[in-house]
Amino acid sequence: DAGITQSPRHKVTETGTPVTLRCHQTENHRYMYWYRQDPGHGLRLIHYSYGVKDTDKGEVSDGYSVSRSKTEDFLLTLESATSSQTSVYFCAISGQEKPYEQYFGPGTRLTVT
Amino acid sequence: AQSVTQPDIHITVSEGASLELRCNYSYGATPYLFWYVQSPGQGLQLLLKYFSGDTLVQGIKGFEAEFKRSQSSFNLRKPSVHWSDAAEYFCAVGAPASGGSYIPTFGRGTSLIVHP
Repeated sequence: DAGITQSPRHKVTETGTPVTLRCHQTENHRYMYWYRQDPGHGLRLIHYSYGVKDTDKGEVSDGYSVSRSKTEDFLLTLESATSSQTSVYFCAISGQEKPYEQYFGPGTRLTVT
Repeated sequence: AQSVTQPDIHITVSEGASLELRCNYSYGATPYLFWYVQSPGQGLQLLLKYFSGDTLVQGIKGFEAEFKRSQSSFNLRKPSVHWSDAAEYFCAVGAPASGGSYIPTFGRGTSLIVHP
């Protein structure tokens, strides 16, 4: 299995509070991605990174920001959490030689009350 | 923009029976197609992929998929299902994105239930 960890694995937070999720990889892969998974929607891309400090928006980026200050870490921040952001969040990585081949982390279950 | 349709939300099969999960895609160029599997509480795992060449591709765990351009389909098959195959299956079509990265668009998934 690819070396990807996500923290925390579970979190409950209140509406209006900021939340940061962390994705950490040990593969030295160039590309990192954040998805959310909701019933009936499959996975939807939030943001992705194609290098340190290089990021771009995905399909559902509103209300989220990301940062990548070093290769191994990709942070997802919910600036002011809302109940609609209750979801399971997955990080994925892919390498420069096979950018199409993504490896997924175990996920973070976030509940916003 | 690309899109993927998985027409079946749930599929139920008996252990040992054959399986076919359907996937239809929409993409303007030659598609890069993928099937992923997700076991309960886990992340997604790549089963197989198609880029070009032979339209029948083999993957892990005994799965195969056939690309049919005329039907815009990429159906997943397995000749004999095992109870451990019970999971959620996602079809995806990929497109190049910023900085040489690659972005898949996922279907909504098909949940496979296996009866003993």
